[in-house]
Amino acid sequence: NAGVMQNPRHLVRRRGQEARLRCSPMKGHSHVYWYRQLPEEGLKFMVYLQKENIIDESGMPKERFSAEFPKEGPSILRIQQVVRGDSAAYFCASSPNQPGGNTEAFFGQGTRLTVV
Amino acid sequence: SQQGEEDPQALSIQEGENATMNCSYKTSINNLQWYRQNSGRGLVHLILIRSNEREKHSGRLRVTLDTSKKSSSLLITASRAADTASYFCATAETSGSRLTFGEGTQLTVNP
Repeated sequence: NAGVMQNPRHLVRRRGQEARLRCSPMKGHSHVYWYRQLPEEGLKFMVYLQKENIIDESGMPKERFSAEFPKEGPSILRIQQVVRGDSAAYFCASSPNQPGGNTEAFFGQGTRLTVV
Repeated sequence: SQQGEEDPQALSIQEGENATMNCSYKTSINNLQWYRQNSGRGLVHLILIRSNEREKHSGRLRVTLDTSKKSSSLLITASRAADTASYFCATAETSGSRLTFGEGTQLTVNP
């Protein structure tokens, strides 16, 4: 089991471009979470998805950000028209059950987005 | 203050000493989890304690949970330089569908 795979590890975008971040959960995991982390800070929840469904997107900005977890393929976090303030590390985690099911979440190594 | 607040923000100790980090939270939880993050890396799960448990051990780690005070502590015994990292607590709320993380404690273990 390869663990949670995120790519790319580093992404540089110019202001106004689109950023697409990919996350392949661990095998057998159908629950995916995206978090954002600024330097020296904790992780801020963005969105929780199950296969083909968004369960909780309360942490995601209403504009420019979207996420999906299709039936086949990785989960995608998409940021349109990026601005400098979007520069951060974006982490994906997966679990076999939702957090209340008393199972741990497994994290990827993150994608570090830099907007220039 | 936010759900899952760690205390202290930073802790510096000598190798061999014990390190204690605390976490407070506000809502009812199903479980509380501790994670470790090395600089520039992803988070690694350390230990999960359920709301009906009071104490749990894993190697040199000891976690306590006091649901009446809505607080938890992580004790690392006989610390090593390799324990240098940020440590985060995360709560799985009974009413929610997410893990909510605190701001973390930066632990430095000096050789």
